[in-house]
Amino acid sequence: LAKTTQPISMDSYEGQEVNITCSHNNIATNDYITWYQQFPSQGPRFIIQGYKTKVTNEVASLFIPADRKSSTLSLPRVSLSDTAVYYCLVGVYNQGGKLIFGQGTELSVKP
Amino acid sequence: KAGVTQTPRYLIKTRGQQVTLSCSPISGHRSVSWYQQTPGQGLQFLFEYFSETQRNKGNFPGRFSGRQFSNSRSEMNVSTLELGDSALYLCASSLGQIDVGELFFGEGSRLTVL
Repeated sequence: LAKTTQPISMDSYEGQEVNITCSHNNIATNDYITWYQQFPSQGPRFIIQGYKTKVTNEVASLFIPADRKSSTLSLPRVSLSDTAVYYCLVGVYNQGGKLIFGQGTELSVKP
Repeated sequence: KAGVTQTPRYLIKTRGQQVTLSCSPISGHRSVSWYQQTPGQGLQFLFEYFSETQRNKGNFPGRFSGRQFSNSRSEMNVSTLELGDSALYLCASSLGQIDVGELFFGEGSRLTVL
């Protein structure tokens, strides 16, 4: 049963790079790693998804080591508007096909 | 294109009542999944519908049910409401079955049970 572990909270300052690491020791061969961002009273929003090595898009990078037992979401030069909860999801077909969200990481960006 | 629309956005019910929430997915999306979010339990998967069939169900009692119509719109129903059912109920749609694809979430329906 795959399960994700993330830090509960992180603090940063505007302009800094933020790295949030997610542990997923039981990741399955066919599992992808996906990150979502959620603001208060809104639904989560897709940030990035990857399978191995490195993926980069216009908002973030995702680093996945060769063993795939962890992944790191990197947010370059954060701003106040990046203050949100970030969720790491691994695969989909866990526990018979139920999508499992972890507790998420509450990122607070300060001026 | 229009995003995922959930109605109503806010509602207040009393214990024992029932509630029906609606979700209109993005045009062309065939999968709709539902989630309950509470401060204590976080985001929990309720169920997923694809082409009018429930594919998966989370660990919720039978009071929680849902359905999907031929136009992919979905409804979820909670009967005999309990105080603990107060939560933000989120709906997400995706092009295919929830797998490696991107989920598009609505803004949610906030249910308060008194």
